Amino acid sequence: GAGVSQSPRYKVAKRGQDVALRCDPISGHVSLFWYQQALGQGPEFLTYFQNEAQLDKSGLPSDRFFAERPEGSVSTLKIQRTQQEDSAVYLCASSSQGARETQYFGPGTRLLVL
Amino acid sequence: AQRVTQPEKLLSVFKGAPVELKCNYSYSGSPELFWYVQYSRQRLQLLLRHISRESIKGFTADLNKGETSFHLKKPFAQEEDSAMYYCALYSSNTGKLIFGQGTTLQVKP
Repeated sequence: GAGVSQSPRYKVAKRGQDVALRCDPISGHVSLFWYQQALGQGPEFLTYFQNEAQLDKSGLPSDRFFAERPEGSVSTLKIQRTQQEDSAVYLCASSSQGARETQYFGPGTRLLVL
Repeated sequence: AQRVTQPEKLLSVFKGAPVELKCNYSYSGSPELFWYVQYSRQRLQLLLRHISRESIKGFTADLNKGETSFHLKKPFAQEEDSAMYYCALYSSNTGKLIFGQGTTLQVKP
């Protein structure tokens, strides 16, 4: 079956622009995670959904970051008024139940803010 | 503080040589540890988890609570093992997976 997909794969934004990153998890997976991966670093947790409920958003770096999963499947990570420090790879992962179960990662969206 | 440390950014070995990728953790509870791997042009994927106590692609990892380590080992490296390896800790306190910075393994022919 299809794995986790993300779009766009690459995004170049001018500083101050809003961007929206999409994640399609594996069908039936209850849990969905967003991570930010800066160059040369490991993935860092941003936020976590269980179905449509956002259970943890403690990793979102500022109020410019917003995530939603309104119907418990597709999720969107939105970044408003992008800054250069937002440049990173944004990874989405899904699992059958929670972070301790195997997380299946998408290919990531590489965001470059100029 | 909950933390995962991978002290080596790059580990370069020759084919057939033993490999040990180091991982140390800081966690007050009972840890659950994982190794994730990313091959070139592929997505991040689970390699193994300590509770399974299994060998995947010849790799093993033993949890050493005394040394707070979860090193990944393979007796004879293959060129196809070249990849980025991330050690990760599941925190039951926060329900999150905490990743280390990663180690690039380069296996030379």
